[in-house]
Amino acid sequence: GAVVSQHPSRVICKSGTSVKIECRSLDFQATTMFWYRQFPKQSLMLMATSNEGSKATYEQGVEKDKFLINHASLTLSTLTVTSAHPEDSSFYICSARGPGEQFFGPGTRLTVL
Amino acid sequence: GENVEQHPSTLSVQEGDSAVIKCTYSDSASNYFPWYKQELGKGPQLIIDIRSNVGEKKDQRIAVTLNKTAKHFSLHITETQPEDSAVYFCAPSWETSGSRLTFGEGTQLTVNP
Repeated sequence: GAVVSQHPSRVICKSGTSVKIECRSLDFQATTMFWYRQFPKQSLMLMATSNEGSKATYEQGVEKDKFLINHASLTLSTLTVTSAHPEDSSFYICSARGPGEQFFGPGTRLTVL
Repeated sequence: GENVEQHPSTLSVQEGDSAVIKCTYSDSASNYFPWYKQELGKGPQLIIDIRSNVGEKKDQRIAVTLNKTAKHFSLHITETQPEDSAVYFCAPSWETSGSRLTFGEGTQLTVNP
């Protein structure tokens, strides 16, 4: 099946710094990618829909100035958590709409100290 | 928006027994009904899905049944094995490729050897 990768797999940063997470579709082109956040023992919550060549669509309650999304190519979307705080610590997962289904990345564990 | 409920939240079975997880949704326009398996520290993986024109689909030990009238669909796992232990999520949506998945709260399945 199609493969979606994420980098890095885990990151630890200091409070106030920015962190960039990459999501790549390795063997297919994805005009639409999605970013989810998952807190421990909870479900996946959609943060935003990333469309290649246009602005992302954010879910209600998600700050677009804090979570910057760029989808500059058909195989790459990035999520930048700006001025990260401990409450941003979470598991961030991307997915890409591919042939017939959505394919999920392996996730990025963000820990903000 | 779509309201999704999943039951039970936890399920413990003995190896070899069957497991059933039910997902109830609210949006009658939903026409795509996937089940995802998420292992600890990983992204979700699609294990089976069904479209609204089909009532049941089976893939080896896994099956999904759909009742569109009652707006629920269920995951059935037979002959469970310890490696089936994971969190399972349903995510009904209204587009075939799953453009906006709303995840249920998840079911922690534990298969005891």
